[in-house]
Amino acid sequence: DAGITQSPRHKVTETGTPVTLRCHQTENHRYMYWYRQDPGHGLRLIHYSYGVKDTDKGEVSDGYSVSRSKTEDFLLTLESATSSQTSVYFCAISRASGRARETQYFGPGTRLLVL
Amino acid sequence: QQQVKQSPQSLIVQKGGISIINCAYENTAFDYFPWYQQFPGKGPALLIAIRPDVSEKKEGRFTISFNKSAKQFSLHIMDSQPGDSATYFCAASPSGNQFYFGTGTSLTVIP
Repeated sequence: DAGITQSPRHKVTETGTPVTLRCHQTENHRYMYWYRQDPGHGLRLIHYSYGVKDTDKGEVSDGYSVSRSKTEDFLLTLESATSSQTSVYFCAISRASGRARETQYFGPGTRLLVL
Repeated sequence: QQQVKQSPQSLIVQKGGISIINCAYENTAFDYFPWYQQFPGKGPALLIAIRPDVSEKKEGRFTISFNKSAKQFSLHIMDSQPGDSATYFCAASPSGNQFYFGTGTSLTVIP
């Protein structure tokens, strides 16, 4: 894994509670992404960041917010978790320059169960 | 709506055989088509990628075939090995920021 850690690796929470997942990178890559992986859907982009404090929505952003106050950290927050947000969440990073940014490196994932 | 359609959902191949996974898309703005390999409990890892200006790209035992007019691309794994057993995802991107993934193919290579 290309210097990407995710925390926590596993989490069980209850419906209606807030949850924050953290992605930390040591590669100094500009772009960071949050995906969710579900059977039958593959990976779907939730939000991404193209720099500190610069973020944009992905394909399935409803119910999620993100923040990036430092190059190395990208936080994903579920304001009020629902059972439909039970999933495996992956963080990914890529470099900024030209076509190099299109090579994404994925973290180990976080398994989230919302009861 | 799935932007990239992937088939088959699962595939069983004998050791030494050829594994073929297919993907199709509609959005002509897509200009980058990577394939990822994922082992259980791990994140996906880039395997090989292609751009629409070439019809084929080969890296070792892995080959991508690309048909721009049909809007289809496929991954061929030659001389499949048990260590290739994993889930494979195709993806497509229009700009390098937004990526759309297929639903995945679980490959099992039988010794």
